[in-house]
Amino acid sequence: EDKVVQSPLSLVVHEGDTVTLNCSYEVTNFRSLLWYKQEKKAPTFLFMLTSSGIEKKSGRLSSILDKKELFSILNITATQTGDSAIYLCAVTNAGGTSYGKLTFGQGTILTVHP
Amino acid sequence: NAGVMQNPRHLVRRRGQEARLRCSPMKGHSHVYWYRQLPEEGLKFMVYLQKENIIDESGMPKERFSAEFPKEGPSILRIQQVVRGDSAAYFCASSSMGTGEAFFGQGTRLTVV
Repeated sequence: EDKVVQSPLSLVVHEGDTVTLNCSYEVTNFRSLLWYKQEKKAPTFLFMLTSSGIEKKSGRLSSILDKKELFSILNITATQTGDSAIYLCAVTNAGGTSYGKLTFGQGTILTVHP
Repeated sequence: NAGVMQNPRHLVRRRGQEARLRCSPMKGHSHVYWYRQLPEEGLKFMVYLQKENIIDESGMPKERFSAEFPKEGPSILRIQQVVRGDSAAYFCASSSMGTGEAFFGQGTRLTVV
Protein backbone atom coordinates (compact mmCIF):
# COMPACT_ATOMS: atom_id res chain seq x y z
CA GLU A 1 0.00 0.00 0.00
CA ASP A 2 1.32 3.43 -0.94
CA LYS A 3 2.23 5.65 1.99
CA VAL A 4 3.01 9.35 2.46
CA VAL A 5 4.35 10.89 5.67
CA GLN A 6 4.65 14.61 6.20
CA SER A 7 6.60 16.49 8.84
CA PRO A 8 6.26 18.48 10.92
CA LEU A 9 2.53 18.03 11.58
CA SER A 10 2.28 21.65 12.63
CA LEU A 11 4.49 24.70 12.51
CA VAL A 12 4.14 28.21 13.92
CA VAL A 13 6.31 31.01 12.58
CA HIS A 14 6.36 34.80 12.28
CA GLU A 15 5.98 36.81 9.12
CA GLY A 16 9.23 36.97 7.20
CA ASP A 17 10.49 33.58 8.35
CA THR A 18 11.45 30.84 5.90
CA VAL A 19 9.89 27.41 6.34
CA THR A 20 10.68 23.96 4.97
CA LEU A 21 8.00 21.28 4.86
CA ASN A 22 8.95 17.65 4.39
CA CYS A 23 7.27 14.78 2.61
CA SER A 24 8.55 11.21 2.42
CA TYR A 25 6.83 8.46 0.49
CA GLU A 26 6.70 4.76 -0.31
CA VAL A 27 5.16 3.95 -3.68
CA THR A 28 5.35 0.65 -5.54
CA ASN A 29 5.42 2.29 -8.97
CA PHE A 30 6.01 6.02 -8.57
CA ARG A 31 4.68 8.40 -11.17
CA SER A 32 4.46 11.87 -9.58
CA LEU A 33 4.38 13.84 -6.34
CA LEU A 34 2.04 16.79 -5.87
CA TRP A 35 1.76 19.61 -3.35
CA TYR A 36 -1.53 21.28 -2.46
CA LYS A 37 -2.47 24.17 -0.19
CA GLN A 38 -5.73 23.81 1.71
CA GLU A 39 -7.37 26.71 3.46
CA LYS A 40 -10.98 26.41 4.63
CA LYS A 41 -12.06 25.03 1.30
CA ALA A 42 -10.73 23.11 -1.67
CA PRO A 43 -7.12 21.98 -1.89
CA THR A 44 -5.39 24.29 -4.35
CA PHE A 45 -2.77 22.80 -6.65
CA LEU A 46 0.77 24.11 -6.14
CA PHE A 47 3.27 21.83 -7.87
CA MET A 48 3.62 18.49 -9.58
CA LEU A 49 7.07 16.87 -9.60
CA THR A 50 8.10 13.88 -11.63
CA SER A 51 11.84 14.29 -12.14
CA SER A 52 14.46 14.14 -9.46
CA GLY A 53 16.59 17.20 -8.72
CA ILE A 54 14.61 19.71 -10.75
CA GLU A 55 13.26 22.59 -8.67
CA LYS A 56 9.80 23.92 -9.35
CA LYS A 57 9.32 27.54 -8.35
CA SER A 58 6.37 29.90 -8.08
CA GLY A 59 6.98 33.23 -6.39
CA ARG A 60 8.05 32.60 -2.81
CA LEU A 61 7.28 28.89 -3.02
CA SER A 62 9.59 26.23 -4.37
CA SER A 63 9.78 22.47 -4.28
CA ILE A 64 12.20 19.74 -5.19
CA LEU A 65 12.02 15.97 -5.43
CA ASP A 66 14.64 13.36 -4.54
CA LYS A 67 13.57 10.05 -6.10
CA LYS A 68 16.59 8.20 -4.74
CA GLU A 69 15.86 9.10 -1.12
CA LEU A 70 12.08 9.13 -1.68
CA PHE A 71 11.26 12.58 -0.37
CA SER A 72 10.30 16.08 -1.36
CA ILE A 73 10.52 19.45 0.35
CA LEU A 74 8.38 22.55 -0.02
CA ASN A 75 10.06 25.84 0.84
CA ILE A 76 8.28 29.08 1.55
CA THR A 77 10.44 32.19 1.91
CA ALA A 78 9.43 35.52 3.50
CA THR A 79 6.23 33.99 4.88
CA GLN A 80 3.05 36.05 5.10
CA THR A 81 -0.10 35.56 7.17
CA GLY A 82 -1.87 34.50 3.97
CA ASP A 83 0.40 31.47 3.82
CA SER A 84 -1.36 30.04 6.88
CA ALA A 85 -2.98 26.83 5.69
CA ILE A 86 -2.66 23.07 5.62
CA TYR A 87 -0.06 21.93 3.10
CA LEU A 88 -0.78 18.52 1.61
CA CYS A 89 1.63 16.22 -0.16
CA ALA A 90 0.32 13.43 -2.39
CA VAL A 91 1.74 10.80 -4.72
CA THR A 92 0.38 9.00 -7.75
CA ASN A 93 1.09 5.46 -8.80
CA ALA A 94 1.71 4.55 -12.41
CA GLY A 95 0.28 1.07 -12.08
CA GLY A 96 -2.98 -0.24 -13.49
CA THR A 97 -6.25 1.23 -12.28
CA SER A 98 -4.42 3.39 -9.72
CA TYR A 99 -3.50 5.80 -12.50
CA GLY A 100 -4.30 9.34 -11.36
CA LYS A 101 -5.40 8.34 -7.86
CA LEU A 102 -3.79 10.51 -5.17
CA THR A 103 -2.49 9.09 -1.89
CA PHE A 104 -2.22 11.95 0.60
CA GLY A 105 -0.11 12.54 3.66
CA GLN A 106 -1.73 13.84 6.82
CA GLY A 107 -0.71 17.40 6.04
CA THR A 108 1.34 20.11 7.76
CA ILE A 109 -0.60 22.88 9.49
CA LEU A 110 1.32 26.13 9.00
CA THR A 111 0.42 29.17 11.09
CA VAL A 112 2.09 32.48 10.31
CA HIS A 113 1.75 35.19 12.97
CA PRO A 114 2.06 38.89 12.12
CA ASN B 1 -13.56 28.00 -17.73
CA ALA B 2 -15.40 27.13 -14.57
CA GLY B 3 -13.60 24.97 -12.07
CA VAL B 4 -14.86 21.78 -10.49
CA MET B 5 -18.35 22.43 -9.17
CA GLN B 6 -19.81 20.55 -6.25
CA ASN B 7 -23.23 20.86 -4.72
CA PRO B 8 -24.60 21.22 -2.25
CA ARG B 9 -21.86 22.92 -0.24
CA HIS B 10 -23.48 21.86 3.01
CA LEU B 11 -25.86 18.98 3.57
CA VAL B 12 -27.57 17.93 6.78
CA ARG B 13 -29.20 14.54 6.99
CA ARG B 14 -30.82 12.59 9.80
CA ARG B 15 -29.56 9.09 10.53
CA GLY B 16 -31.08 6.61 8.08
CA GLN B 17 -31.67 9.11 5.28
CA GLU B 18 -29.93 9.16 1.93
CA ALA B 19 -27.31 11.71 0.88
CA ARG B 20 -26.60 12.60 -2.75
CA LEU B 21 -23.51 14.62 -3.55
CA ARG B 22 -22.95 16.03 -7.03
CA CYS B 23 -19.79 16.91 -8.90
CA SER B 24 -19.40 18.54 -12.30
CA PRO B 25 -15.79 18.26 -13.50
CA MET B 26 -13.87 21.01 -15.23
CA LYS B 27 -14.69 21.42 -18.91
CA GLY B 28 -12.75 18.90 -20.94
CA HIS B 29 -12.00 16.63 -17.98
CA SER B 30 -13.28 13.09 -18.16
CA HIS B 31 -11.61 11.67 -15.03
CA VAL B 32 -13.35 12.17 -11.70
CA TYR B 33 -12.14 11.20 -8.24
CA TRP B 34 -13.96 11.33 -4.91
CA TYR B 35 -12.12 11.84 -1.62
CA ARG B 36 -13.32 11.98 1.96
CA GLN B 37 -11.79 14.10 4.70
CA LEU B 38 -12.74 13.18 8.23
CA PRO B 39 -12.15 15.70 11.04
CA GLU B 40 -8.45 15.88 11.96
CA GLU B 41 -7.53 13.46 9.17
CA GLY B 42 -6.07 13.73 5.70
CA LEU B 43 -7.86 13.21 2.42
CA LYS B 44 -8.66 9.57 1.67
CA PHE B 45 -9.33 8.25 -1.81
CA MET B 46 -12.73 6.69 -2.34
CA VAL B 47 -13.42 6.09 -6.04
CA TYR B 48 -12.14 6.92 -9.52
CA LEU B 49 -14.53 7.15 -12.46
CA GLN B 50 -14.46 7.93 -16.12
CA LYS B 51 -17.60 8.49 -18.14
CA GLU B 52 -19.99 5.60 -17.45
CA ASN B 53 -17.23 3.50 -15.90
CA ILE B 54 -15.93 2.87 -12.40
CA ILE B 55 -12.18 2.41 -12.75
CA ASP B 56 -11.11 1.99 -9.12
CA GLU B 57 -13.41 1.80 -6.10
CA SER B 58 -10.90 0.35 -3.68
CA GLY B 59 -11.48 3.17 -1.18
CA MET B 60 -15.26 2.88 -1.06
CA PRO B 61 -16.94 1.25 1.92
CA LYS B 62 -18.49 -2.03 0.79
CA GLU B 63 -22.00 -1.14 1.92
CA ARG B 64 -24.25 1.91 1.58
CA PHE B 65 -21.87 3.86 -0.70
CA SER B 66 -22.11 4.04 -4.49
CA ALA B 67 -20.88 6.34 -7.23
CA GLU B 68 -21.69 6.96 -10.86
CA PHE B 69 -20.59 9.23 -13.66
CA PRO B 70 -23.24 9.04 -16.40
CA LYS B 71 -22.76 9.95 -20.01
CA GLU B 72 -24.71 13.13 -19.43
CA GLY B 73 -24.71 15.11 -16.20
CA PRO B 74 -22.61 15.26 -13.07
CA SER B 75 -20.95 12.51 -11.11
CA ILE B 76 -23.00 11.43 -8.10
CA LEU B 77 -21.77 10.01 -4.81
CA ARG B 78 -24.68 8.35 -3.03
CA ILE B 79 -24.71 7.35 0.63
CA GLN B 80 -27.70 5.32 1.77
CA GLN B 81 -28.89 5.05 5.37
CA VAL B 82 -26.37 7.57 6.64
CA VAL B 83 -24.81 7.19 10.09
CA ARG B 84 -23.04 9.74 12.28
CA GLY B 85 -19.65 8.38 11.18
CA ASP B 86 -20.38 9.49 7.62
CA SER B 87 -20.11 13.12 8.72
CA ALA B 88 -17.15 14.50 6.79
CA ALA B 89 -16.11 16.74 3.94
CA TYR B 90 -16.42 15.03 0.57
CA PHE B 91 -14.23 16.42 -2.19
CA CYS B 92 -14.39 15.76 -5.88
CA ALA B 93 -11.41 16.25 -8.18
CA SER B 94 -11.09 16.06 -11.93
CA SER B 95 -8.24 15.72 -14.37
CA SER B 96 -7.73 15.35 -18.09
CA MET B 97 -6.30 12.08 -19.35
CA GLY B 98 -5.42 11.05 -15.79
CA THR B 99 -2.34 13.24 -15.72
CA GLY B 100 -2.40 13.38 -11.95
CA GLU B 101 -2.67 17.17 -11.90
CA ALA B 102 -6.11 16.99 -10.35
CA PHE B 103 -8.17 20.06 -9.54
CA PHE B 104 -10.50 20.00 -6.58
CA GLY B 105 -13.99 21.30 -6.00
CA GLN B 106 -15.04 23.24 -2.91
CA GLY B 107 -16.32 20.13 -1.25
CA THR B 108 -19.62 19.10 0.33
CA ARG B 109 -19.72 19.11 4.11
CA LEU B 110 -22.09 16.37 5.21
CA THR B 111 -23.43 16.47 8.74
CA VAL B 112 -25.47 13.55 10.02
CA VAL B 113 -27.64 14.37 13.02
